Amino acid sequence: DTAVSQTPKYLVTQMGNDKSIKCEQNLGHDTMYWYKQDSKKFLKIMFSYNNKELIINETVPNRFSPKSPDKAHLNLHINSLELGDSAVYFCASSQLGTRPLNIQYFGAGTRLSVL
Amino acid sequence: SQQGEEDPQALSIQEGENATMNCSYKTSINNLQWYRQNSGRGLVHLILIRSNEREKHSGRLRVTLDTSKKSSSLLITASRAADTASYFCATGPYSGGGADGLTFGKGTHLIIQP
Repeated sequence: DTAVSQTPKYLVTQMGNDKSIKCEQNLGHDTMYWYKQDSKKFLKIMFSYNNKELIINETVPNRFSPKSPDKAHLNLHINSLELGDSAVYFCASSQLGTRPLNIQYFGAGTRLSVL
Repeated sequence: SQQGEEDPQALSIQEGENATMNCSYKTSINNLQWYRQNSGRGLVHLILIRSNEREKHSGRLRVTLDTSKKSSSLLITASRAADTASYFCATGPYSGGGADGLTFGKGTHLIIQP
């Protein structure tokens, strides 16, 4: 009954590989996000996806691409992984609707290690 | 520019004492939120204060907001060992649309000594 679930929890891979992280929310929310948390615990928004509208943080390399098969899922695909991509990636969701307070619900995170 | 910077970066206190963390931000806001992150876990929403509010309480939490100084504080009273975590303030876009996510500060790591 986890509200926002991401898989895998840990991902260890070689430089140059392509990988995906999956995210699902069962809260019925209309907006989902991906955040990156670096080694100093700084969290930065990467993408938000709301009713087919994708908003991209301009600092995110185009090797990163979100894909949303439906409102409950927002997966993250990463091509040609680099050492600097090592971080913890968090998926989150919120219900913006007509009252955009934007309280977000987070998954447990995926720790990506690129060797 | 980075929105939301917490102060101090780390705080260690004895159980039962009060813990105060501060946050400063740079642009106009619709609301400000505080989140907690336990080690190895995701963030959990604690409390939200709107831009037209000055103070808000929730259990042992007290949040203040000073929009003229662009700052907020989070007070945890009667701290417990379970309060050991990192605390982040977060702000959204002024328009309140929110679809472009929250901007988080660097967080305050709080350690409660038993």
